[in-house]
Amino acid sequence: QVQLVQSGAEVKKPGASVKVSCKASGYSFSSYGISWVRQAPGQGLEWMGWISGYNGNTNYAQQIQGRVTMTTDTSTRTAYMELRSLRSDDTAVYYCARDGADIVVVLEGTSEYFHHWGQGTLVTVSS
Amino acid sequence: DIQMTQSPSAMSASVGDRVTITCRASQGISNYLAWFQQKPGEVPKRLIYAASTLQSGVPSRFSGSGSGTEFTLTISSLQPDDSATYYCLQQFSHPLTFGGGTKVET
Repeated sequence: QVQLVQSGAEVKKPGASVKVSCKASGYSFSSYGISWVRQAPGQGLEWMGWISGYNGNTNYAQQIQGRVTMTTDTSTRTAYMELRSLRSDDTAVYYCARDGADIVVVLEGTSEYFHHWGQGTLVTVSS
Repeated sequence: DIQMTQSPSAMSASVGDRVTITCRASQGISNYLAWFQQKPGEVPKRLIYAASTLQSGVPSRFSGSGSGTEFTLTISSLQPDDSATYYCLQQFSHPLTFGGGTKVET
């Protein structure tokens, strides 16, 4: 069965960096991508960006572009999200979700996307 | 960027009530819309994809409709277990965007 398993909770100081991992199993990693979504305490869901498991192409949300890097290691079927220059408002639960392998989505393909999510990783930014 | 405006932001309803949640897109997104349910401390769960296709295993009291810019999630007969926050997500183009959420209390 499809599983996405994320790394554990992190506590970081303002200005530091954090790298969250998302290890995939149960499907062909290169046939899909990974989107990262975060949720600040008591707030809604915010899409952060996407990476293709096929070719490593990325697309980031404007509000964090320049501070975020998403990568994959196809040998270990793991996606990573690194966020730099952390601020207190980066405190959130970070989720990975299986998405498409291409930035252009075919409607029929959406049946496979955002159905499987990681368990979430709490990142706390505090001095 | 496509903005998703979700309404209402919160509501209270009785068991057995019909509940309707709306998402409006700032531009046409065809049927590229999904609905999620999230309970406190839990991972979002997809209920509907492609605007109206019910996710396998989701109770049939949930339904989705709409196309273009206006979409609705309907719970035909609200149950106590449906207390949660509901989100829409447009998948038409990047950046993907979520609606602001609707908190439903029974």
